Amino acid sequence: QSALTQPASVSGSPGQSITISCTGTSSDVGSYNYVSWYQQHPGKAPKLMIHDVSNRPSGVSNRFSGSKSGNTASLTISGLQAEDEADYYCSSYTSSNTLVFGGGTKLTVL
Amino acid sequence: EGQLLESGGGLVQPGGSLRLSCAASGFTFSSYTMTWVRQAPGKGLEWVSGISSSGATTYYADSVKGRFTISRDNSKNTLYLEMNSLRAEDTALYYCAKDRKSPDYWGQGTLVTVSS
Repeated sequence: QSALTQPASVSGSPGQSITISCTGTSSDVGSYNYVSWYQQHPGKAPKLMIHDVSNRPSGVSNRFSGSKSGNTASLTISGLQAEDEADYYCSSYTSSNTLVFGGGTKLTVL
Repeated sequence: EGQLLESGGGLVQPGGSLRLSCAASGFTFSSYTMTWVRQAPGKGLEWVSGISSSGATTYYADSVKGRFTISRDNSKNTLYLEMNSLRAEDTALYYCAKDRKSPDYWGQGTLVTVSS
């Protein structure tokens, strides 16, 4: 199972919006709505930010939103804040009953 | 809110074995599927294994199939990962997480180092 494809890095200024893409195949992202997004700060465990493509867990800021079109999912962060600087990973359930992650995207807040 | 606490990591020689445990609290453990995910130093997340709520069905990444065994004891609210024939490339921080399809709660991880 190949990893989902994410950009290695993205950046934005405070207050701006950024979007991170996550491209898979018809065997994972394209076939299931079990797409999740995780935020990971250095030395910390991943934190679920979006599940089932576009659902925010309780306590996650509404500045975070998710969507999907075909084999590509996207995470958008609006009103960028300094504390958003972190690594972001997408994941998807697959037709092989496994889970696959993206390679991760480092978000820099300028 | 659910909590997960991993233990059992350590330094092991290539070819050796290790058993990781994950103690769950704050949610009905027996009702949920569970997952192990690892992260090599400086690298991304890699799914390792998943298990059904009853423990009857298990799933493995190709990289660990035949060497690792996932299991659970619902009476003890504990998830396990038995790791055999360990290789240098198995060196990683191992996380347990609740739910097999969209892991939500994650533990803090336990570090496994495979080195001679």
